[in-house]
Amino acid sequence: DTEVTQTPKHLVMGMTNKKSLKCEQHMGHRAMYWYKQKAKKPPELMFVYSYEKLSINESVPSRFSPECPNSSLLNLHLHALQPEDSALYLCASSRQAVTGTPTTQYFGPGTRLLVL
Amino acid sequence: AQTVTQSQPEMSVQEAETVTLSCTYDTSESDYYLFWYKQPPSRQMILVIRQEAYKQQNATENRFSVNFQKAAKSFSLKISDSQLGDAAMYFCAYRSGLEGGSNYKLTFGKGTLLTVNP
Repeated sequence: DTEVTQTPKHLVMGMTNKKSLKCEQHMGHRAMYWYKQKAKKPPELMFVYSYEKLSINESVPSRFSPECPNSSLLNLHLHALQPEDSALYLCASSRQAVTGTPTTQYFGPGTRLLVL
Repeated sequence: AQTVTQSQPEMSVQEAETVTLSCTYDTSESDYYLFWYKQPPSRQMILVIRQEAYKQQNATENRFSVNFQKAAKSFSLKISDSQLGDAAMYFCAYRSGLEGGSNYKLTFGKGTLLTVNP
């Protein structure tokens, strides 16, 4: 089983709204990732959590706030976003991340975000 | 820094035919992993195939196979007996085999959009 789930599938929000994206995996993976993907472009890494601790922040603006409540769950809190933040947000997980032998990343179906 | 190049922005193939997507990469490392991911219109990234650099044997997964040329730093994907469901954006990706640090990152190519004609 290599399933990563994400909710919601679609999200429309205004620039003053606060919303959250959710990602879940039950594969026992200890690393989870957030990516941002614009149309016809490859995914861009935003954050990496390794063993529930934030390991990597790829200089992402503070209006994006990640959270890893437990080893299976990853959230991305959104606040005061800009229209240019509209994109597909992908979550991924892998058995290990920044320690140990690198392992394959498995992606969720993504949340399509539109900021008005 | 590693780079991944996919020189074919778009490709097309007739149903049941064979198509090869090209990927080259640049690295000074000897231990690394290469991946092909498929992203259909539904936008979910799906792992197609993975190759460990230390393995000389080319990876295969059913109708998908790779031609891994380590010296030439080339990693092409062959799709045999193409099906309509193979239509997607295909991304080639590189990851270091070294532990820790920034070696967690997947470096993606820009992608090749594959169209399958009935």
